[in-house]
Amino acid sequence: ETGVTQTPRHLVMGMTNKKSLKCEQHLGHNAMYWYKQSAKKPLELMFVYSLEERVENNSVPSRFSPECPNSSHLFLHLHTLQPEDSALYLCASSQAGGVTDTQYFGPGTRLTVL
Amino acid sequence: AQSVTQLDSHVSVSEGTPVLLRCNYSSSYSPSLFWYVQHPNKGLQLLLKYTSAATLVKGINGFEAEFKKSETSFHLTKPSAHMSDAAEYFCVVSPPWGTYKYIFGTGTRLKVLA
Repeated sequence: ETGVTQTPRHLVMGMTNKKSLKCEQHLGHNAMYWYKQSAKKPLELMFVYSLEERVENNSVPSRFSPECPNSSHLFLHLHTLQPEDSALYLCASSQAGGVTDTQYFGPGTRLTVL
Repeated sequence: AQSVTQLDSHVSVSEGTPVLLRCNYSSSYSPSLFWYVQHPNKGLQLLLKYTSAATLVKGINGFEAEFKKSETSFHLTKPSAHMSDAAEYFCVVSPPWGTYKYIFGTGTRLKVLA
């Protein structure tokens, strides 16, 4: 595997379910990101982890819970979601602290909340 | 503060004709600028980036962009469109000192007509 991978690619869940999204980066980076991409809206940065510490939490509802056990893996735990949470969730990674932090993106997880 | 404006939400071109996707930015310092492409149901792929070196930046798949400070623009061009170029394109601005604060434009959907 190369680059940034995300699983699952598609997820359908009910509002009472609990599920997790997984992201893995194979680039040796030390920063990882979760973004939400909804139709007709700009990409929204949700969370940023740098050196496994959360450095950004953009007023995301508590029904989204991130976890970064090491610099290569990032999870997004989901519970009691709402239909408006249906979106494409993108993971990205970068090498923080460089001249320019270029972010590399995974293919995304298409989430549908019923 | 930084911001980025993509001037066209949709652009249609015929195959073999030039492509121009327009991006203007606002920044109180010299920013880093990026163009990403997103094909349907895929993640974002880096096309090119500007980091205060050469003002004309060449990217993948024949795309290039020119940084014009006087016009605060970073337009994306390609001499001859191919059907495979049909996708959504995002212009991104970031501080030059390598933080994780990407500011995304709202995207331009490129349609290529046979």
